[in-house]
Amino acid sequence: DAKTTQPNSMESNEEEPVHLPCNHSTISGTDYIHWYRQLPSQGPEYVIHGLTSNVNNRMASLAIAEDRKSSTLILHRATLRDAAVYYCILRPEVGGKLIFGQGTELSVKP
Amino acid sequence: NAGVTQTPKFRILKIGQSMTLQCTQDMNHNYMYWYRQDPGMGLKLIYYSVGAGITDKGEVPNGYNVSRSTTEDFPLRLELAAPSQTSVYFCASSYGTGGRTIYFGEGSWLTVV
Repeated sequence: DAKTTQPNSMESNEEEPVHLPCNHSTISGTDYIHWYRQLPSQGPEYVIHGLTSNVNNRMASLAIAEDRKSSTLILHRATLRDAAVYYCILRPEVGGKLIFGQGTELSVKP
Repeated sequence: NAGVTQTPKFRILKIGQSMTLQCTQDMNHNYMYWYRQDPGMGLKLIYYSVGAGITDKGEVPNGYNVSRSTTEDFPLRLELAAPSQTSVYFCASSYGTGGRTIYFGEGSWLTVV
């Protein structure tokens, strides 16, 4: 199973952009890059996903390196409600196994 | 559309007891998952299923059993509960894999004393 590497923790100031990095050097050509976040005492929730091209949605943007060996989740303006653990996950096109890494704990300061 | 529903939300078990965590989804998803999350740690895959009648082991299957007799339900059975099984359990489902979104339940908090 391809693995991801993320920093254990990051800090941000409220209203500022946040860039959360993820390394996935063993990614295969058919692996999708997913990001989920987990607020305290809740189940993970979907943030964004992509395959090759950069993606934008109402929550965030996903920047994928040209060689796909890394990606960055971008929160354009962090709010206190964005404080959570963010998981970068590789999801293959075929096969059901889905392994989570340790994630990045994001704290947001007012 | 209730999404992924887990019951019970909280449970205290005595060592050696058995119980079943229930998980139901109403989205007609073929993929279903069970994870456990210990305090301060990430999610560990226990078992998963790619469709009714098909299950497979994840990273930490010992001490657990699953069945998938219908598309909607994916119960997790704990036999002979041990303190090491004290954890939060999350059920999840997805329609397919690859670029499909995964939906998680709210979690079941289990304490074994």
